[in-house]
Amino acid sequence: QVQLKETGPGLVQPTQTLSITCTVSGFSLTSYYMQWVRQTPGKGLEWMGFIRSGGSTEYNSEFKSRLSISRDTSKNQVFLKMNSLKTEDTGVYYCAREDWFAYWGQGTLVTVSS
Amino acid sequence: DVVMTQTPPSLSVAIGQSVSISCKSSQSLVYSDGKTYLHWLLQSPGRSPKRLIYQVSNLGSGVPDRFSGTGSQKDFTLKISRVEAEDLGVYYCAQTTHFPRTFGGGTKLELK
Repeated sequence: QVQLKETGPGLVQPTQTLSITCTVSGFSLTSYYMQWVRQTPGKGLEWMGFIRSGGSTEYNSEFKSRLSISRDTSKNQVFLKMNSLKTEDTGVYYCAREDWFAYWGQGTLVTVSS
Repeated sequence: DVVMTQTPPSLSVAIGQSVSISCKSSQSLVYSDGKTYLHWLLQSPGRSPKRLIYQVSNLGSGVPDRFSGTGSQKDFTLKISRVEAEDLGVYYCAQTTHFPRTFGGGTKLELK
């Protein structure tokens, strides 16, 4: 069956870079777009961007200058990297399959604090 | 960005009661292919969001038919007939017609 699981660092210091991995099973990354959505106390659910089945990306301009989404299809993994973290970036980060939010990971809590 | 406005922000209901949640968008959600990409999600306490309805009125897999979605253009409604305890949580509408994708602020369904 379809499964998605995020793995993240938990705690990140301000100004540092966040790296999260989403490992999927039950489908191929070359057949589906994969997106990142975060949920913060300040802004609720925010769509961050996605990587298409062909490998190209689309980002929310809110994050564009500091966000990167990539993947390794051989490992069934999608990656989020975001730099210059601020305390307002504290929240739960989800990967989700982009067929109208049909499948979500469990989420990984990221706390930005010194 | 398309702003999604949900009302009410919270609802207090009794089991067995029927309720409706409104979602209004700042722009039409009709895409160039003629389809409307408005979806409804439920986030139960401590859980990831779960998709209930896609493209206005299509029930997701395994979603009971107590849930129904209607609407067009900029005005959409989610109806829950005969609320059950498992329906409690926060409901979100979301649009995938325009970039960036955006979500409503949520409607919290609680027990009376």
